[in-house]
Amino acid sequence: NAGVTQTPKFQVLKTGQSMTLQCAQDMNHNSMYWYRQDPGMGLRLIYYSASEGTTDKGEVPNGYNVSRLNKREFSLRLESAAPSQTSVYFCASRTSGGSDTQYFGPGTRLTVL
Amino acid sequence: GENVEQHPSTLSVQEGDSAVIKCTYSDSASNYFPWYKQELGKRPQLIIDIRSNVGEKKDQRIAVTLNKTAKHFSLHITETQPEDSAVYFCAASRRGDGANNLFFGTGTRLTVIP
Repeated sequence: NAGVTQTPKFQVLKTGQSMTLQCAQDMNHNSMYWYRQDPGMGLRLIYYSASEGTTDKGEVPNGYNVSRLNKREFSLRLESAAPSQTSVYFCASRTSGGSDTQYFGPGTRLTVL
Repeated sequence: GENVEQHPSTLSVQEGDSAVIKCTYSDSASNYFPWYKQELGKRPQLIIDIRSNVGEKKDQRIAVTLNKTAKHFSLHITETQPEDSAVYFCAASRRGDGANNLFFGTGTRLTVIP
């Protein structure tokens, strides 16, 4: 099992450009999450999907959109990138039922110039 | 929403000494408290967690304690080793609340000096 995978690993954008960050998990997990990590601020939830077909806003959703394409894949889109969106983005997934553990992907380092 | 505070932000200890990291939370309905370790350039990985129905949990050199009344929980690492050097994050959530969203503290950078 690859676990949670993310593409790309690194990306540089110019202000105003758009891009989609891809995330996939092969653990048959129901819930998936997108976080951003900034120095001194920990991980903050952008959007989440409790199950296939549903998405909801987290703490910092402005400037982002998401798509839960199927049970495996959860993408994050920046429609018009801004320098404030320079960050490391992590995707995570969690099964339902007894386990509470969230498993994280390797992250995408995004720089917006 | 939930607010998790974590202290200290940096911690240096000599190899073999103990390290303690403390977190407080604001939402009395939170009932799940994981700790994640993140090495430089890597993803966060769960090292231990505790549910609100227990006060302490141990796993080899790592232990977590929870005080529900005071709304704080702590990570204890004994006999520290250089490979324990990393950033540690605490988090809190409500189990069974739909997506079980985690609210993270701001992290503690632990350095173990050989």
